[in-house]
Amino acid sequence: DVKVTQSSRYLVKRTGEKVFLECVQDMDHENMFWYRQDPGLGLRLIYFSYDVKMKEKGDIPEGYSVSREKKERFSLILESASTNQTSMYLCASSLRSDQPQHFGDGTRLSIL
Amino acid sequence: GQNIDQPTEMTATEGAIVQINCTYQTSGFNGLFWYQQHAGEAPTFLSYNVLDGLEEKGRFSSFLSRSKGYSYLLLKELQMKDSASYLCAVRDQGTYKYIFGTGTRLKVLA
Repeated sequence: DVKVTQSSRYLVKRTGEKVFLECVQDMDHENMFWYRQDPGLGLRLIYFSYDVKMKEKGDIPEGYSVSREKKERFSLILESASTNQTSMYLCASSLRSDQPQHFGDGTRLSIL
Repeated sequence: GQNIDQPTEMTATEGAIVQINCTYQTSGFNGLFWYQQHAGEAPTFLSYNVLDGLEEKGRFSSFLSRSKGYSYLLLKELQMKDSASYLCAVRDQGTYKYIFGTGTRLKVLA
């Protein structure tokens, strides 16, 4: 069974802090994704990566960056957290682009 | 522009059949996924359609019409545990991107 693990289920940070969200998958998947999920807006893609050290902007990359130094790990970085980045963050991975995505349990991030 | 439309909420009775519709307008198309998401949990994969027609998987079936930009998820013999949100997602052609709808919250009543 595919396992996508996000480092924290709940996180509280302060405005202006640099925040790291970590995601690890154990199935040697090529593709990894970061989404945020907000009520009424659904899942919105922040960044994705289709190979080690490769990254592509999604629909809402502003205020975020990512890092993929190893195939199994994809990190999301909030450079200077702001209150409008309070959200549920979901990491996902897929073997290939025509294969379903497998999601982590999510990190509920609150920025105060 | 790119857009996916689903009803916001639906209610059905245990044992009944429910159909959740999804319409999409995207610049390209390379497959449609349905996911189930229980409250507070991660989405889980239900079905994938890339060609027109019906895909059946136990109590769940999914249909696709590419010419109409339309899909539906059919749930038979509803159970209380089917109460969840159902997300429709389209894979954009030529990219790795998936565009998600806002989801349909299904309530199954006893």
